[in-house]
Amino acid sequence: GENVEQHPSTLSVQEGDSAVIKCTYSDSASNYFPWYKQELGKRPQLIIDIRSNVGEKKDQRIAVTLNKTAKHFSLHITETQPEDSAVYFCAASRGGSYIPTFGRGTSLIVHP
Amino acid sequence: SQTIHQWPATLVQPVGSPLSLECTVEGTSNPNLYWYRQAAGRGLQLLFYSVGIGQISSEVPQNLSASRPQDRQFILSSKKLLLSDSGFYLCAWTSIGGRGNTIYFGEGSWLTVV
Repeated sequence: GENVEQHPSTLSVQEGDSAVIKCTYSDSASNYFPWYKQELGKRPQLIIDIRSNVGEKKDQRIAVTLNKTAKHFSLHITETQPEDSAVYFCAASRGGSYIPTFGRGTSLIVHP
Repeated sequence: SQTIHQWPATLVQPVGSPLSLECTVEGTSNPNLYWYRQAAGRGLQLLFYSVGIGQISSEVPQNLSASRPQDRQFILSSKKLLLSDSGFYLCAWTSIGGRGNTIYFGEGSWLTVV
């Protein structure tokens, strides 16, 4: 089955800095890679996703890049703000009834 | 639009008591349904998933069980809770699509076993 590794487990940055979280996956048939943000005590919510036919996607301060050859994808947050502090999860999945596989999460702390 | 609801939001239960968490999805049909658990500060542990009515697959052996009596209803149960069952329980759903599945989570249920 699919295996997703996520690094780092904790990331501490100063407000205004950039943050990068990286994930690798094992199943070359995976074709969909979402990222979720989970604030303390709340549910994970989708913030951005990318499909395997695209190399990069941006949404304001958030971007995701995908390298299919190397089987890794990354979340980039620019100009970080204290409200970006949360746990971020990556995931990889295939179509049909395959279950999405999540990384173990990265706790991002943005210091004012 | 599709929505997912789960309840109760919070509960405190004594060791050995039963548990029932309920989840419903609206605005879609034949979804894949999931139950996840998060221990404090930890990742998402998949407990059960279902691809159809009465079809339940268990990922982790435990004293919990799941049922899907209707297409858009998913229930997590236990006959006797353990202290280790405490955590944040999340119901989730995905549509069955050919290009990868976006998973959507319910609001979550905080369970404290005392």
